[in-house]
Amino acid sequence: GAVVSQHPSRVICKSGTSVKIECRSLDFQATTMFWYRQFPKQSLMLMATSNEGSKATYEQGVEKDKFLINHASLTLSTLTVTSAHPEDSSFYICSARDIGLLNSPLHFGNGTRLTVT
Amino acid sequence: SQQGEEDPQALSIQEGENATMNCSYKTSINNLQWYRQNSGRGLVHLILIRSNEREKHSGRLRVTLDTSKKSSSLLITASRAADTASYFCATDNAGNMLTFGGGTRLMVKP
Repeated sequence: GAVVSQHPSRVICKSGTSVKIECRSLDFQATTMFWYRQFPKQSLMLMATSNEGSKATYEQGVEKDKFLINHASLTLSTLTVTSAHPEDSSFYICSARDIGLLNSPLHFGNGTRLTVT
Repeated sequence: SQQGEEDPQALSIQEGENATMNCSYKTSINNLQWYRQNSGRGLVHLILIRSNEREKHSGRLRVTLDTSKKSSSLLITASRAADTASYFCATDNAGNMLTFGGGTRLMVKP
């Protein structure tokens, strides 16, 4: 089946530094990828929709200057958490859908656990 | 924003019993999907049911959809300890973006 690779799986960084998370679709192309954030024991909250070759669409309340998204190719989207603070500590998950399949499910990466100290 | 509401929020059963989780949503949909998430991992797609379908089966999973009530249920029969996970429903109403429910945390005791 389709696979989405997300890297790194865990990262610990100091407050004020930036962290980049990569999301790759391994065996399909995705013009759109989605970035979610999940707090413990809660559901996934959509942060932004990453569009290949154009600007990302951010959900209300998500700071676009803090969470930089780049979708440079049909198989790669990156999320950079800039000037990270402890409140940015969370589980970040990306997902993608095969552009060739209508009504198809999303394929998820395994998530990135970010801890900001 | 979350569209789906799931109940129960948590469910604890014995191995071999059936587990039923419910999901309600607010707007019209193209399809509804159920996902499973093991602790600290990504989501795994379980089953997709289209708006014109009423019931779908996949192995020990049975999903129903009632568009008039804007609700869906996921039944796991003959549960196993390995079924312990969080289960989320997600609605697809724009053909692209999914909106997730709050999830049900299922614990299956051996």
